[in-house]
Amino acid sequence: AQSVTQLGSHVSVSEGALVLLRCNYSSSVPPYLFWYVQYPNQGLQLLLKYTSAATLVKGINGFEAEFKKSETSFHLTKPSAHMSDAAEYFCAVSVGFVNTGNQFYFGTGTSLTVIP
Amino acid sequence: KAGVTQTPRYLIKTRGQQVTLSCSPISGHRSVSWYQQTPGQGLQFLFEYFSETQRNKGNFPGRFSGRQFSNSRSEMNVSTLELGDSALYLCASSLLGQGAYEQYFGPGTRLTVT
Repeated sequence: AQSVTQLGSHVSVSEGALVLLRCNYSSSVPPYLFWYVQYPNQGLQLLLKYTSAATLVKGINGFEAEFKKSETSFHLTKPSAHMSDAAEYFCAVSVGFVNTGNQFYFGTGTSLTVIP
Repeated sequence: KAGVTQTPRYLIKTRGQQVTLSCSPISGHRSVSWYQQTPGQGLQFLFEYFSETQRNKGNFPGRFSGRQFSNSRSEMNVSTLELGDSALYLCASSLLGQGAYEQYFGPGTRLTVT
């Protein structure tokens, strides 16, 4: 079975500080991993994805994530937080088999607050 | 390319009524998935359609149903609405709906049941 755990439902950082949002997954096969961001009253927007190429994945808006198989983790980081980064962040896992369809498993989300 | 569109954006219904939500995927995408998002339960998968066929289904009662048309547009229907159905309903489209293909989300339909 596949599942995603996001540690910390709320994270606060100061503007300019490092952003670290944690995600651990469980999967019986090599996973595809995603980070999405959701701004208030909007849908989810893809930040980045891991598809078994490079383990360090760079995304939009300065975010990046590192896939660590030994730790079953896919933590999201950004060196310097901006006020505009305040949003809800979701980690998701998808396992790719032919003909099984697209059932993503999402974490419960982490709300990021950026303090001026 | 136009993104995923959902209509209506906001809806208010009363208990016992039924509702139909619509989703137009990105052009060329054949997979459409639906999710229910609530503060308490987070994002929960409802079902996925691919080429007019339901390919995956989450753990929701039969009051929740959907369909997909030949142009990949999808609708979901909720019958006999309950207060607990109040939520943001998100539609997502994907090129083929498998594994590495990311999903693109619409803005959602905010359903309020009174």
